[in-house]
Amino acid sequence: DIQMTQSPSSLSASVGDRVTISCRASQSISSYLNWYQQKSGKAPKLLIYAASSLQSGVPSRFSGSGSGTDFTLTISSLQPEDFAAYYCQESYSSRYTFGQGTKLEI
Amino acid sequence: EMQLVESGGGLVQPGGSLRLSCAASGFSISTYTMNWVRQAPGKGLEWISYITSGSSTIYYEDSVKGRFTISRDNAKNSLYLQMNSLRAEDTAVYYCSSSSGIGRFDPWGQGTLVTVSS
Repeated sequence: DIQMTQSPSSLSASVGDRVTISCRASQSISSYLNWYQQKSGKAPKLLIYAASSLQSGVPSRFSGSGSGTDFTLTISSLQPEDFAAYYCQESYSSRYTFGQGTKLEI
Repeated sequence: EMQLVESGGGLVQPGGSLRLSCAASGFSISTYTMNWVRQAPGKGLEWISYITSGSSTIYYEDSVKGRFTISRDNAKNSLYLQMNSLRAEDTAVYYCSSSSGIGRFDPWGQGTLVTVSS
């Protein structure tokens, strides 16, 4: 099975900061990598699919990059509504494994 | 607007059964793979099962294999999860989500809480 490892597990930042979250797969997954945002008590929301494609309606301050085993989610200028948990997910296998999550805090 | 709404969660004793439903509106699920994902209290997301559009392919995460059964009724635009032999560790919010060929999960339902406790 493919393992997905995110870093860091938690991150403190301020409004206006540039933030980067990393996700590493235990084997190559090409570009089959998605990113989700989850606010407290709410369902996850798709931000980025296929490693770097921005989901419709998602602000352009969110971007994704990477291929193979190493991926990055970048928020160019943090807004108050961005403080949430972020998860990567591989869609290369039939197991759709999620990373353990990164909690972005003020 | 594409929308999914789960129902059927609740409190059940260990060893008991529960059937979750997921009703779609604003789109037809007939062309989508459908998934169940769960989240234990304070924990991360865990994919547990998917079923392809015509029900020809079904997968389960190992911890639920043999106990949970996913099914769908495209005519009713609905997805189901029959959960048997429930354990305390199955306590979680259960989400349904549709996915495309490249595996992006969108949209998601609001979730339904399943609590397994005596």
